[in-house]
Parts: sequence; structure tokens; C-alpha cells
Amino acid sequence: AQSVTQLDSQVPVFEEAPVELRCNYSSSVSVYLFWYVQYPNQGLQLLLKYLSGSTLVKGINGFEAEFNKSQTSFHLRKPSVHISDTAEYFCAVSPTGNQFYFGTGTSLTVIP
Amino acid sequence: GAVVSQHPSRVICKSGTSVKIECRSLDFQATTMFWYRQFPKQSLMLMATSNEGSKATYEQGVEKDKFLINHASLTLSTLTVTSAHPEDSSFYICSAILAGTNTGELFFGEGSRLTVL
Repeated sequence: AQSVTQLDSQVPVFEEAPVELRCNYSSSVSVYLFWYVQYPNQGLQLLLKYLSGSTLVKGINGFEAEFNKSQTSFHLRKPSVHISDTAEYFCAVSPTGNQFYFGTGTSLTVIP
Repeated sequence: GAVVSQHPSRVICKSGTSVKIECRSLDFQATTMFWYRQFPKQSLMLMATSNEGSKATYEQGVEKDKFLINHASLTLSTLTVTSAHPEDSSFYICSAILAGTNTGELFFGEGSRLTVL
């Protein structure tokens, strides 16, 4: 069985400061890994994904994530956040590409 | 990128009525679509997996007679909330996988907020 843990439910950070949103997963098989962002009253948009290859993945809006197989983690980072980054962020894993398991989400609030 | 559209984005209905939400893949074919329900400040709860031309597969605890899902074509899936009650008020989101590829990526609709009075 797969599970996804996002340890931080809320992360407040000042504008232009760096941020890291944590994601750990458990799986008995290899998985694809994703980060999605959700703005208020909207659906989810893909930030980035790891399918294979380089463990450092760069996504949209200046975000990046690093896949760490030994620690079963896929933490999301951004070196300098903007007010517009305020949103809900979801980590997801997929063992097959057809089933997706989501974490409980991290609410990022960027403080002016 | 691929676009998934949901309609309506917001709907208010009286208790006891039925509401249909449409999910369309606008520029690609989707053999598999997923329906999620999201409560405030919470994650997405998978309700069912919808495959074109076959019956939907419902997750445990989801009433199939209450949440009717139809996937009649490769570009359209519908969710009908039958005899809606206030506890059915929620944000419903659909997503789709691009057919014929193994990108392992979900494309999400904008969501539909249902309010049952």
C-alpha cells in the first residue's frame, strides 16, 4: 500500500524568503512523484513531477524538488517566495500512473 | 498542456433535487477520469474511477446510487448527485489521464462547488 505524509499543515513564510515543503511517502514499489498547487476555489495544477532520471526536478514558478530514494522523500523548495505563491500544495505518488495517492496538503502563506 | 473543463463551477440547489456536473477533456482523449471530493482545508478524497464505456469503480464508502458517474465518450464524464442533501455540499474535482501515454500525470478540472440548501 502507498501513503503520503505532508508533515506541515501550515507554513507561514516572509516574502522573498526560501521555503521547503516536506513530503514523505511509503511504497513497496517504485513510484512516480508529483507536486500540485491549488489556488482558492480552483482545481489543481501540476508544479512538477519525477518519473525517472535526475533526482532534482525543476518545475514552474521557480519551484524544484528532490527525490531521495533512501529517505523516501520528495521535498519541494523555492529559494525566494512571492505573495502569489500563497496556496495549498499537495504531494502525490503514483505506483502505476493510473492510481494516485495524495497527501493532506500544506497551506503556504507568504507574508508581505 | 492538456485542458480539463468542469461545468458548472458553482451550483446551488434545494435539498432533494439532483445535480449533474460535467467534466470534459478539451484537447485530448481521456480513457480514465477520476472524481474527487474535497472538504474545506482537507485533501482530495477519491470517490470513483471512471473508464470510458464501462461502469465506474467506486471507492469504499461512496454510495454508487447517490453519486452516479457516466463516462459515455473519451472526452466527457458526468457526476450526478441524486437527491442531494446539505451534507453533500462540497467541492467536487475531476481529473483525467491522457490516453495512450504513460506520462503518469493527472490533469485537473477547475472544480465545482456544490451547495445544497
